[in-house]
Amino acid sequence: DAKTTQPPSMDCAEGRAANLPCNHSTISGNEYVYWYRQIHSQGPQYIIHGLKNNETNEMASLIITEDRKSSTLILPHATLRDTAVYYCIVRFAGRVNTGFQKLVFGTGTRLLVSP
Amino acid sequence: EPEVTQTPSHQVTQMGQEVILRCVPISNHLYFYWYRQILGQKVEFLVSFYNNEISEKSEIFDDQFSVERPDGSNFTLKIRSTKLEDSAMYFCASIALGLYEQYFGPGTRLTVT
Repeated sequence: DAKTTQPPSMDCAEGRAANLPCNHSTISGNEYVYWYRQIHSQGPQYIIHGLKNNETNEMASLIITEDRKSSTLILPHATLRDTAVYYCIVRFAGRVNTGFQKLVFGTGTRLLVSP
Repeated sequence: EPEVTQTPSHQVTQMGQEVILRCVPISNHLYFYWYRQILGQKVEFLVSFYNNEISEKSEIFDDQFSVERPDGSNFTLKIRSTKLEDSAMYFCASIALGLYEQYFGPGTRLTVT
């Protein structure tokens, strides 16, 4: 699995957009970008994933650069409950059956949302 | 919304004792995982399990560890003889066939004294 690099911490004001960057310059063509978060030692929570197109769901948007070497997770209107550690994970997904594939967590970005 | 559950939420045990951590994955999920997180450190993969057998395990998952799905609903992690360094949060996760997101349980905090 390709390695990812994230800033150790970021701050964001409540109600503003939080933009969390991730570098994955060694990503290969059959690897997806996943984002998970962990709120205060709770179990990690899936946020979103993508291959090369930008993705949006009810939680966030994922912007992947055209060369796929970096991505940005966007929380459009951050709330205090979004304070968490955010993990960017690159994972091979070249087969329909993805169940065997463990997640390899880095140290992530600690996002602090302030009033 | 279905969720992964884990019991107990906190387990305190003495060094050398056996512990069993229990997980109930989401009912239609077929792949199961255990991860652990030592306080202040990364979440680390321990083992994955499918079709009643281990599909992958990490170096951490030595002979002291075992997993079992005894009754089609529970998924357990057993540590035979606990060590102080086994103190950590243990997370269970599961995933359905063909899907992408692993669902994690709330974790069991294991404290070995």
